[in-house]
Amino acid sequence: EIVLTQSPGTLSLSPGERATLSCRASQSVSSTYLAWYQQKPGQAPRLLIYGASTRATGIPDRFSGGGSGTDFILTISRLEPEDFAVYYCQQYGGSPWTFGQGTKVEIK
Amino acid sequence: VQLVQSGAEVKKPGESLKISCKGSGYSFTNYWIAWVRQMPGKGLEWMGIIYPGDSDARYRPSFQGQVTISADQSISTAYLQWSTLEASDTAMYFCARHRLHGRDPRDGLDIWGQGTMVTVSS
Repeated sequence: EIVLTQSPGTLSLSPGERATLSCRASQSVSSTYLAWYQQKPGQAPRLLIYGASTRATGIPDRFSGGGSGTDFILTISRLEPEDFAVYYCQQYGGSPWTFGQGTKVEIK
Repeated sequence: VQLVQSGAEVKKPGESLKISCKGSGYSFTNYWIAWVRQMPGKGLEWMGIIYPGDSDARYRPSFQGQVTISADQSISTAYLQWSTLEASDTAMYFCARHRLHGRDPRDGLDIWGQGTMVTVSS
């Protein structure tokens, strides 16, 4: 099983700041098969990025993804109030598909 | 396009349960459906997937034999069931649709149900 480790566990930032979230895989993952999700309290997750760098439908361009191999990054260029949430990476290249443990982006 | 899940359940240990996920607005038969568990205050766990067109189901090893994933394409509904619930099954369960149609199961999840809260307590 591919283990995804996200860091940091919590990111305390102010609106307008840049957020950089990391997702490290225990073995190489094709960038084709890496996604990022946002989850707010009491809500289902929402797909942000798939294929490591492609924004899903309706996702603002302040969200960007990148990386390859075992290291992937989600960047939020300028945090909006609605961006404070928990973010998960997921790999779907090797069964079983797995999620990272999440990074909480909180208001500083 | 939406997935609508059945309502919250409160059960006792040892009881059985089947929860549902009904798709609409798209060709239900041709998209993989995943089930994802979220225990209270915890992260997301991928449980398994099913292709409704032929009921091909695949499980995370830790869930194999513990749950059954099924689908009825005639009513565009996927199911997650337990024969014997345990307190540790208390969680929110989400169904979610794969982004692309087709038989390749390697894909992100673009449409999510609202979740079904299952509480197992004596």
